[in-house]
Amino acid sequence: EVQLVQSGAEVKKPGESLKISCKASGYSFTSYWIGWVRQTPGKGLEWMGIIYPGDSDTAYNPSLHGQVSISADKSSSTAYLQWSSLKTSDTALYYCARGVGATNRAFDVWGQGTMVAVSS
Amino acid sequence: EFGVTQSPATLSLSPGERATLSCRASQSARSYLAWYQQKPGQAPRLLIYDVSNRATGIPARFSGSGSGTEFTLTISSLEPEDFGVYYCQQRSSSPMYAFGQGTKLEIK
Repeated sequence: EVQLVQSGAEVKKPGESLKISCKASGYSFTSYWIGWVRQTPGKGLEWMGIIYPGDSDTAYNPSLHGQVSISADKSSSTAYLQWSSLKTSDTALYYCARGVGATNRAFDVWGQGTMVAVSS
Repeated sequence: EFGVTQSPATLSLSPGERATLSCRASQSARSYLAWYQQKPGQAPRLLIYDVSNRATGIPARFSGSGSGTEFTLTISSLEPEDFGVYYCQQRSSSPMYAFGQGTKLEIK
């Protein structure tokens, strides 16, 4: 069974760092893009970035202005989303999702989501 | 600005009725237009990709159509489990992805 299993919920303070994970199983991790999408009540679904674990090629939503970093570890079939300095506005539900086909034009398998709460 | 706009915001229908959801892209989507369904407490589920291709396991009552900047998701005869929020999503060549704000399909 193709699965993406994400790490658990996090509660952090502004300025702290954080790295959340997305572990893939049931398919060739290095052959599909993995994207990150966040969901908030106010802004709905927002694409954050995408990585191709085969060669770590990445692309980011320009609106994020370098606030996050995406990486992947082939040895553990795990993708990561990382912040160096969290803001309260980063409070959201974060999903990883697998890209469809070579052009990753949609996302066909989704993780269960990781809730991140940032508050002083 | 790259983005997609969905309408209506809310659609109230009864089981057995036909649902038509619209999505307008700010620029030509080529064929990179997808639809998702999301229920409370669940991740989005891919229904349609490349405008009209049903994802694995999606019933035939779901269909997608359109071209250029205007796209439609049609549910031919609503089942009770079809109620939820539907999102369209466009991919640009950059790549960039944009999701619509969603259409809530509720039971009338």
